[in-house]
Amino acid sequence: KAGVTQTPRYLIKTRGQQVTLSCSPISGHRSVSWYQQTPGQGLQFLFEYFSETQRNKGNFPGRFSGRQFSNSRSEMNVSTLELGDSALYLCASRPGTSSFNEQFFGPGTRLTVL
Amino acid sequence: GESVGLHLPTLSVQEGDNSIINCAYSNSASDYFIWYKQESGKGPQFIIDIRSNMDKRQGQRVTVLLNKTVKHLSLQIAATQPGDSAVYFCAENPENYGGATNKLIFGTGTLLAVQP
Repeated sequence: KAGVTQTPRYLIKTRGQQVTLSCSPISGHRSVSWYQQTPGQGLQFLFEYFSETQRNKGNFPGRFSGRQFSNSRSEMNVSTLELGDSALYLCASRPGTSSFNEQFFGPGTRLTVL
Repeated sequence: GESVGLHLPTLSVQEGDNSIINCAYSNSASDYFIWYKQESGKGPQFIIDIRSNMDKRQGQRVTVLLNKTVKHLSLQIAATQPGDSAVYFCAENPENYGGATNKLIFGTGTLLAVQP
């Protein structure tokens, strides 16, 4: 089975721009979560989607949004980029919504904001 | 690598020795805990998990111990190999809603450096 894939792998943007990141979960997985990883804050939960519905959201401003499509693929969008948004954005998928399901992470998208 | 913070605790061990990585978690209601390994340039990789109704679980060369009294988790790696060099994160699921959500809270990570 192919793993979680994320595109693009690297991205450079300037302040004020917006960006859309994409995640394709493992085939058959219906739950997708997004995390932000920075040296200062570590790994922080952004949001989780299941069956095209957002199930939970972390403590991030409204500039961070996401969605999930009927094929379980997910996108996240960051508007009005700030320098502090530079981070590795990780997507993780799991089969269902049980908290005892292992999450599988993708390689991440490295976003640099100049 | 992308996962290494400025002040990550570091554990340096000799190849062949056993490694013990510790983690303190925050929420006494957390019911599920996971250890992840992250190598440079990659996303976190699942190592082993444990539910709150257990205090020990063993995998291949790894053992996780859970002490709920002091909210402490440890990962033991037997016969550590150079390929084990990575950043290790513990994660807890604080949402004790019978599996309603999967919002994980990650620890800050420990860098394991294996000396050949």
